[in-house]
Amino acid sequence: KNEVEQSPQNLTAQEGEFITINCSYSVGISALHWLQQHPGGGIVSLFMLSSGKKKHGRLIATINIQEKHSSLHITASHPRDSAVYICAVPGGGSQGNLIFGKGTKLSVKP
Amino acid sequence: NAGVTQTPKFQVLKTGQSMTLQCAQDMNHEYMSWYRQDPGMGLRLIHYSVGAGITDQGEVPNGYNVSRSTTEDFPLRLLSAAPSQTSVYFCASSLRTNAEAFFGQGTRLTVV
Repeated sequence: KNEVEQSPQNLTAQEGEFITINCSYSVGISALHWLQQHPGGGIVSLFMLSSGKKKHGRLIATINIQEKHSSLHITASHPRDSAVYICAVPGGGSQGNLIFGKGTKLSVKP
Repeated sequence: NAGVTQTPKFQVLKTGQSMTLQCAQDMNHEYMSWYRQDPGMGLRLIHYSVGAGITDQGEVPNGYNVSRSTTEDFPLRLLSAAPSQTSVYFCASSLRTNAEAFFGQGTRLTVV
């Protein structure tokens, strides 16, 4: 079973700061997901990536398949970015489910 | 498209009661899953389905039952609620493995 580790668990930043959240996993995968969960809210998919880098607005996700590591970056952070960010990898085989990290709780102060 | 619809959003049960959490998707996704989210533990897989008529157990299946009679619906049944089942439950679907996952809004369940 794949083990997914995220760091840091909690992160407090000032508005405008550059933020990095890290994710590592133990077993090789074909794709990795980054998800966002606002307080009391549902979960939305931010990225799914299998190599290199993807960018969406101020969010950038990178993955290094050889090192089994991915990072999520937020440029020019804003209080509305405050949320829990979750890394997830496929559960293996043809099950279609995901294995999740425990999440990184981000708080951006104005 | 409504995406993934979960009902109810909140529920309080007494120990021993049974209930069904509903999950429906309108994207014709074959893969559907139920997860529970507990503080400090992340999301854990309860049951999953790879198509109508096919279900299997995940990491924490005890006390839960599922069925998949149609592609659209994947209800989760709590047979006899226990305080340990107090959690937030999420249903998710995807078109195939290694595809974007879509989540319902979650059900916050409290068992007293």
